[in-house]
Amino acid sequence: KAGVTQTPRYLIKTRGQQVTLSCSPISGHRSVSWYQQTPGQGLQFLFEYFSETQRNKGNFPGRFSGRQFSNSRSEMNVSTLELGDSALYLCASSLAAQEADTQYFGPGTRLTVL
Amino acid sequence: GQQLNQSPQSMFIQEGEDVSMNCTSSSIFNTWLWYKQDPGEGPVLLIALYKAGELTSNGRLTAQFGITRKDSFLNISASIPSDVGIYFCAGQGLSSNYKLTFGKGTLLTVNP
Repeated sequence: KAGVTQTPRYLIKTRGQQVTLSCSPISGHRSVSWYQQTPGQGLQFLFEYFSETQRNKGNFPGRFSGRQFSNSRSEMNVSTLELGDSALYLCASSLAAQEADTQYFGPGTRLTVL
Repeated sequence: GQQLNQSPQSMFIQEGEDVSMNCTSSSIFNTWLWYKQDPGEGPVLLIALYKAGELTSNGRLTAQFGITRKDSFLNISASIPSDVGIYFCAGQGLSSNYKLTFGKGTLLTVNP
């Protein structure tokens, strides 16, 4: 069974631009969560989607948004990029919402903001 | 927001040695989880704990859910070179509105 896939794997943007990252969950998984990983702050929860609805949200500004499609694929968008948004963005899928113990992570998208 | 204090930040050990790391929280969690992350990969779940006092093993790994529900421990016995990586603890529960909260990680280096 294929794992969680994230595209693109690497991305370079400049301040002020916007970016969209994509996540395809494991087949049959209906929940997708997004995390930001930085050396300073570690792994931080961004949001979780289940059945196309946002079920939970972390403490990030409104520039960070996401959505989920009917096939459970998810995208996250960051608008007006700042240097501090440089990070590894990880997506994780699980069978149902808030099921951390069935959650599998993708390899991440490395975003660099110049 | 909530924070998990994970220690030590890094460890450098000889192959064959045992390793211990721990995580403490200011809040109670219903679930404690331990992950390992290799370079260029996402974290992989090693052990999940659901009950205060629970002790669970996965091969050479043993983890415990603290009695106070505010801490957890991970032990690795007889370390091998492929144990190298970053180990994260994470907690989930009502106190975090069921968001997964991670520790900052323990970087483990094993000298063959």
